[in-house]
Amino acid sequence: KAGVTQTPRYLIKTRGQQVTLSCSPISGHRSVSWYQQTPGQGLQFLFEYFSETQRNKGNFPGRFSGRQFSNSRSEMNVSTLELGDSALYLCASSKGPGQGYEQYFGPGTRLTVT
Amino acid sequence: DAKTTQPPSMDCAEGRAANLPCNHSTISGNEYVYWYRQIHSQGPQYIIHGLKNNETNEMASLIITEDRKSSTLILPHATLRDTAVYYCIVRDPIDNNDMRFGAGTRLTVKP
Repeated sequence: KAGVTQTPRYLIKTRGQQVTLSCSPISGHRSVSWYQQTPGQGLQFLFEYFSETQRNKGNFPGRFSGRQFSNSRSEMNVSTLELGDSALYLCASSKGPGQGYEQYFGPGTRLTVT
Repeated sequence: DAKTTQPPSMDCAEGRAANLPCNHSTISGNEYVYWYRQIHSQGPQYIIHGLKNNETNEMASLIITEDRKSSTLILPHATLRDTAVYYCIVRDPIDNNDMRFGAGTRLTVKP
């Protein structure tokens, strides 16, 4: 069974630009969560989508947004990039609340903002 | 904020069992204990989870104390490839799907 895939794997952007990251969950998984990982803050939860609806949201500014499509694929968008947005962005998929208890992570997208 | 406390680092000799402790004294009745590990900034890898009974799979064993306030992840025969940061997380998988990661334990397996 194919794992979680994320594209692109690496990205370099400049301050003020916006970026869109993509995540394809494991087949049959309907829940997708996004995390940001930085050396200083560690792994932090961004948001979770289930059946095209945002179910949970972490403590991030409105510049961070996401969506989920009917095929469960998800995208996250960061607008007006800041230097502090440089991080590894991880996507995780699961079957859904109460339907399977494991989350499986993708390899991540490493975003560098210059 | 993370609901768990783990030692920042541990060493283990190759071939020996690695026992990684985790304290979760405020765990609630619906929350499970999950363990993940992360190698070289790859995506975290799921290891095992449990509610109150001890669990074992092909990767590891999870021992949860009777009061559920702490647990231990056991890698029975550690190899060099088990060198990673190990995260212990408590979470209600039905009501709340977000996982709050702490700093984890950096396990170094030495030859």
